[in-house]
Amino acid sequence: DVKVTQSSRYLVKRTGEKVFLECVQDMDHENMFWYRQDPGLGLRLIYFSYDVKMKEKGDIPEGYSVSREKKERFSLILESASTNQTSMYLCASSLWGGNEKLFFGSGTQLSVL
Amino acid sequence: RKEVEQDPGPFNVPEGATVAFNCTYSNSASQSFFWYRQDCRKEPKLLMSVYSSGNEDGRFTAQLNRASQYISLLIRDSKLSDSATYLCVVNYPLPGTASKLTFGTGTRLQVTL
Repeated sequence: DVKVTQSSRYLVKRTGEKVFLECVQDMDHENMFWYRQDPGLGLRLIYFSYDVKMKEKGDIPEGYSVSREKKERFSLILESASTNQTSMYLCASSLWGGNEKLFFGSGTQLSVL
Repeated sequence: RKEVEQDPGPFNVPEGATVAFNCTYSNSASQSFFWYRQDCRKEPKLLMSVYSSGNEDGRFTAQLNRASQYISLLIRDSKLSDSATYLCVVNYPLPGTASKLTFGTGTRLQVTL
């Protein structure tokens, strides 16, 4: 089975801190995604990547950046965390560009105080 | 108008009942459609893809109506273990060969004794 691992299940940070969320997948998938999930708003796409060193903005990229230096790892960076970035962050991967099936990590609940 | 719309519910049904969810989407160019299931405090997981001709997987039936731009999920003989949030997911084509998945906010199902 594909495994997508997110580095932390719960994270508490202070306003203004730089935050790194790490995601690793073990099935050689080409595509990786970062979503955030908020009550009443569902999953919203922040950034995605179709290849190493490649990134594309999703629907809500403001305040975030990403890094994909290796195929298996996709990092989400909050340059200066703000309280409105308190959310559940979900990383996902898929085999190829058809987005046929997404495999999700178990999520990181980030609280920014 | 939201790209993907679902009734948030909750749908409270007794065990053994049949329940149906609908989902509408706004982009007529969408090519792929899916239902994901998300248990409380867990990550979403693919339940089934939705094909033009309709498809069935055990107690679950998915249908697509391209003319009216909606998809549906029918659950027969509901079980307690079916209690979850069901996410409607639509593939949106992007410039070039890329595409992205857009999630609805989900419909919550609670099956009771």
